[in-house]
Amino acid sequence: TQLLEQSPQFLSIQEGENLTVYCNSSSVFSSLQWYRQEPGEGPVLLVTVVTGGEVKKLKRLTFQFGDARKDSSLHITAAQPGDTGLYLCAGADNEGAQKLVFGQGTRLTINP
Amino acid sequence: KAGVTQTPRYLIKTRGQQVTLSCSPISGHRSVSWYQQTPGQGLQFLFEYFSETQRNKGNFPGRFSGRQFSNSRSEMNVSTLELGDSALYLCASSLSWADYGYTFGSGTRLTVV
Repeated sequence: TQLLEQSPQFLSIQEGENLTVYCNSSSVFSSLQWYRQEPGEGPVLLVTVVTGGEVKKLKRLTFQFGDARKDSSLHITAAQPGDTGLYLCAGADNEGAQKLVFGQGTRLTINP
Repeated sequence: KAGVTQTPRYLIKTRGQQVTLSCSPISGHRSVSWYQQTPGQGLQFLFEYFSETQRNKGNFPGRFSGRQFSNSRSEMNVSTLELGDSALYLCASSLSWADYGYTFGSGTRLTVV
């Protein structure tokens, strides 16, 4: 059974600080996605990374896929209160497979 | 364009009853997947349909079933409800997984009492 472990589970920081969320597994994934979920809503896709070592930037968010495609990280620079939410990583075990394995999520709170 | 629509948004059922949840994907999306989200287990894959065929199934008991219609709309059914089935049930649709990823609906919050 493939598992994705996210850390930390909870993170509360002040506005303007930087943070990194990690997503680790002993399994290889063909690709990995990051989602953000607001209370009462479904997850919203932020990014998909598919190549080992790939780095993608989305404004103040930087996503990295590990060289071995077993881990990923999300780095937020100068966090803002609007970044508050549940961040989820999800991996696909083979190309075209419409089945994602989700991490437990990181609940991020940015205090003004 | 319209997103993924799930109905109903909230549902309260009694133990032993059955329930049917509905999902309308984004127009043109042919793949529909279902996930169960609970505080303890997080998001867990239930099943995926493409062109009316179930292509993938998660590790859930046979009480959980689904189907997809020719217009790509999907339903999932849970029979003989248990208290532990209380969860947020999420539907997601995709056009081409590799390029676009999933678009999730807002979910159906099911409470079993």
